Amino acid sequence: DAGITQSPRYKITETGRQVTLMCHQTWSHSYMFWYRQDLGHGLRLIYYSAAADITDKGEVPDGYVVSRSKTENFPLTLESATRSQTSVYFCASSTLAGGRETQYFGPGTRLLVL
Amino acid sequence: DQQVKQNSPSLSVQEGRISILNCDYTNSMFDYFLWYKKYPAEGPTFLISISSIKDKNEDGRFTVFLNKSAKHLSLHIVPSQPGDSAVYFCPVYNFNKFYFGSGTKLNVKP
Repeated sequence: DAGITQSPRYKITETGRQVTLMCHQTWSHSYMFWYRQDLGHGLRLIYYSAAADITDKGEVPDGYVVSRSKTENFPLTLESATRSQTSVYFCASSTLAGGRETQYFGPGTRLLVL
Repeated sequence: DQQVKQNSPSLSVQEGRISILNCDYTNSMFDYFLWYKKYPAEGPTFLISISSIKDKNEDGRFTVFLNKSAKHLSLHIVPSQPGDSAVYFCPVYNFNKFYFGSGTKLNVKP
């Protein structure tokens, strides 16, 4: 299917476990982003990637790791999950042609850390 | 510190009337502004954008106004429809990053 997909859609894990959230886009957009959405904070940028093998920190990167070996995939890993990482995670992609393009969001992954 | 502030967490409007959603930003260097709409259990979707060289942009029922001196952005929806009920975000773009506010939940009553 064309577009941007996230998996899993729902995940329950325990404190201290490693969790990887997957993001896949079919447009060959160069830029990809990870956000978390929490009540009262809106969406906050965790990490972004300008191209394969190029990643950079956003506003709230601590506790997260990303990689981008292929243009279409941008996995987000919580190396040792904490309760404060319970959130809804959104992946997005963008061409950012000229630096002004809009972002296209996936449907989100709802993560609960017990 | 929040780069973008949406001070009204919620807004309720009657169908057919105007909805006005507001957004304030802190950095005068921001030069591209967007509005996104988000339904429950879905990702945000793009609505409309405006560059800092303009003060108004229209797209159908949606108009965005930019007041650079006040660092203020607003979205007007006329006429409002029940399907417009959603959470609205006003991200601003700066150096490859988009900064989002906390959102305003719009409820359009039939």
